[in-house]
Amino acid sequence: DVKVTQSSRYLVKRTGEKVFLECVQDMDHENMFWYRQDPGLGLRLIYFSYDVKMKEKGDIPEGYSVSREKKERFSLILESASTNQTSMYLCATTAGSYEQYFGPGTRLTVT
Amino acid sequence: SQQGEEDPQALSIQEGENATMNCSYKTSINNLQWYRQNSGRGLVHLILIRSNEREKHSGRLRVTLDTSKKSSSLLITASRAADTASYFCAPDSGYSTLTFGKGTMLLVSP
Repeated sequence: DVKVTQSSRYLVKRTGEKVFLECVQDMDHENMFWYRQDPGLGLRLIYFSYDVKMKEKGDIPEGYSVSREKKERFSLILESASTNQTSMYLCATTAGSYEQYFGPGTRLTVT
Repeated sequence: SQQGEEDPQALSIQEGENATMNCSYKTSINNLQWYRQNSGRGLVHLILIRSNEREKHSGRLRVTLDTSKKSSSLLITASRAADTASYFCAPDSGYSTLTFGKGTMLLVSP
């Protein structure tokens, strides 16, 4: 079974802090994704990566950056957290144009 | 990528009843996928139907696809309380990303 893990289930940070959300997959998948999910807005794609050191902007990249130094790990970085980044963050992975496998999510609260 | 639109937004039924959710999309697809999300968790892939398929079954799930109407439906038969979740469709046009809609929230009462 594909396993996708995220570093934290719940996280509370202060405005202005630098925040790292980590995602690790164990299936050697090329593609990895970061989404955020907010009530009434559904899932929105922040960034994705189709190879090590490669990254592509999704629909809402502002305020975020990513890092993919190893194939199995994809990190989402909030350079200076703001309250409007309070959200559920979901990582996903896929081998190609097939199903995506999701991690359990990180619920981030920025105060 | 294109976004699917699920309908209805919310659905409330009793255990044992069938639940039907619909998905509409705008442009041609390679396949269409359905996902489930339990409250506060990640999405779980349920079923993928290819553009040349009209119907697909998996356990109590039945998915249909009508490419002429650009629509799909997900039927859950004999619903259980454990089916309570949000359901999302994701039309795949062959790009590298999927776009998820806002989902249908299903509540199955005992």
